[in-house]
Amino acid sequence: DAEITQSPRHKITETGRQVTLACHQTWNHNNMFWYRQDLGHGLRLIHYSYGVHDTNKGEVSDGYSVSRSNTEDLPLTLESAASSQTSVYFCASSELGGLGTEAFFGQGTRLTVV
Amino acid sequence: AQSVAQPEDQVNVAEGNPLTVKCTYSVSGNPYLFWYVQYPNRGLQFLLKYITGDNLVKGSYGFEAEFNKSQTSFHLKKPSALVSDSALYFCAVSTMIYNQGGKLIFGQGTELSVKP
Repeated sequence: DAEITQSPRHKITETGRQVTLACHQTWNHNNMFWYRQDLGHGLRLIHYSYGVHDTNKGEVSDGYSVSRSNTEDLPLTLESAASSQTSVYFCASSELGGLGTEAFFGQGTRLTVV
Repeated sequence: AQSVAQPEDQVNVAEGNPLTVKCTYSVSGNPYLFWYVQYPNRGLQFLLKYITGDNLVKGSYGFEAEFNKSQTSFHLKKPSALVSDSALYFCAVSTMIYNQGGKLIFGQGTELSVKP
């Protein structure tokens, strides 16, 4: 079955370190997204991509970057981790389609910055 | 700007009773609305969506949602709650930019607790 997987599931890192969270989907979806989930805020969009070599900033992109070198993967990099980036991160993907297209989510990565 | 509001942080229901999880939205133009559920330590799972047509949308696990344009609401409902329905529920609206399907704006979530 097609799926979307994130790794690692849990990560503890120190302030100032660079961290990369992996996201891999086998749906062959063109669209991929990174969200962060924080209490009281729901999910907020960090970055997204509509195809290979395409990347776009979302609502809360400061301190994060992504790159899309193939259809299956959209790694999220925290360039210099800060305590404010302690959160649960979700990757999602969807078909290239109209506004009614639902997204499929990974299991999430819990990141703690100490 | 589009937005979604879930006015209740938590909803408590007895097993077997009907449940409602509320959602209101603000968009310019026709809304594309979604409900997702998140079980503990899991990702979000798609429940149902409204694009157009019948105002009552049926989804997974016996859930349904009622779209009300005049009240700008999209409440999630289930006639008889189960303990296993206990989870975090998110309402979302799609961006209104054509060809940007899948890009969602989420409400803050509602924790549903169903007691035996």
